[in-house]
Amino acid sequence: DVKVTQSSRYLVKRTGEKVFLECVQDMDHENMFWYRQDPGLGLRLIYFSYDVKMKEKGDIPEGYSVSREKKERFSLILESASTNQTSMYLCASRAPNTEAFFGQGTRLTVV
Amino acid sequence: GENVEQHPSTLSVQEGDSAVIKCTYSDSASNYFPWYKQELGKRPQLIIDIRSNVGEKKDQRIAVTLNKTAKHFSLHITETQPEDSAVYFCAASRYSTLTFGKGTMLLVSP
Repeated sequence: DVKVTQSSRYLVKRTGEKVFLECVQDMDHENMFWYRQDPGLGLRLIYFSYDVKMKEKGDIPEGYSVSREKKERFSLILESASTNQTSMYLCASRAPNTEAFFGQGTRLTVV
Repeated sequence: GENVEQHPSTLSVQEGDSAVIKCTYSDSASNYFPWYKQELGKRPQLIIDIRSNVGEKKDQRIAVTLNKTAKHFSLHITETQPEDSAVYFCAASRYSTLTFGKGTMLLVSP
């Protein structure tokens, strides 16, 4: 069974903290994605990776960075968390031009 | 980059009615168009997809149509049921990229 697993379901962090969101997939997929989901704004792409150590900016990369040292793991980093980064974060993975599989999501609250 | 527009943002129907959600895309090189359903508190899951070499695809009560010339594609749900109530997302893909529309909240009243 296909699995994309995000490290936390709920996270509360303080303003200015460095935050790591981890995503692991077990399908040997080349492509991995980080999306942010906010009401009325849909799924907005933050970053994606098409191979190990390769990354591309999405539509809203400001304030975020990513790391992909191994094929199965894609990390999203908030260098200095701010309240406007309070959101639901969704990781996804897929082989090129095929179905994307999503993680369960991380609800991040920055206080 | 790709831009995907999705309409309507909210759709209310009576049980048994049909529902249609429409999307347009901007990148003529996009060649894979999936539709995802997201129930409250759950992750998005694929319900149907279509590739650019196909004009229509059906799976029971769900169908998707694609017009490459006009760069738009649509989701059709027939005989809607209360369990169809969810947010539906369309997306367009060109190899590694995957761009989503803003979603349609479908409400099916008994």
